[in-house]
Amino acid sequence: EVQLVGSGGGLVQPGGSLRLSCAASGFTFNNFGMHWVRQTPGKGLEWLSYISSGSTTIYYADSVKGRFTISRDNAKNSLYLQMNSLRAGDTAIYYCTKDQMLGTTGSFDVWGQGTMVSVSS
Amino acid sequence: EILLTHSPATLSLSPGERATLSCRASQSISSYLAWYQQKPGQAPRLLIYDASNRATGIPARFSGSGSGTEFTLTISSLEPDDFAIYYCQQRYSWPLTFGGGTKVEIK
Repeated sequence: EVQLVGSGGGLVQPGGSLRLSCAASGFTFNNFGMHWVRQTPGKGLEWLSYISSGSTTIYYADSVKGRFTISRDNAKNSLYLQMNSLRAGDTAIYYCTKDQMLGTTGSFDVWGQGTMVSVSS
Repeated sequence: EILLTHSPATLSLSPGERATLSCRASQSISSYLAWYQQKPGQAPRLLIYDASNRATGIPARFSGSGSGTEFTLTISSLEPDDFAIYYCQQRYSWPLTFGGGTKVEIK
């Protein structure tokens, strides 16, 4: 079964850090680009970051650029999101998701279950 | 950044009826548009990619059309399981963006 399982969320104070992880199984992880997407009640779905299969290409949304870092370990079939300088506005459910097809990026066919991040004092 | 606007925001229909959802892009995105379905407490599910291609396992009652700036998702005959929120998303340019969604509710 193709699966993404996210972890690492929780409650953190403003200015703090968290590292999200996403464990992939059931597909050849090192063949696909991966993304992080978050969802808040107020702002809906927001794409955050992309990393190519070999980590050579990385993109960020302006809202997280300079604060969040995406990475992957293909040997461990894992995707990560290091989140620093967290703000109240980063409170959301965070999803990892994979590109649908080899050679193209930006349609997401498999999603993790979502991990909740709450930023509050 | 490309803005995607859904209409209507809410669609109230009965099972068996046809649903027509629209998504408008702020600039041309060719056919690089996807549609997702989301139910409460669940992650989004890919329905349609590149405007008109059904994703694996998606029933034939779901169809997509359009190009440029105007796109449509049609559900030919609503099943009880189809009442959910539907989002469009573009992959034409970075940053990737989603629309705010259309809620399809039971009338």
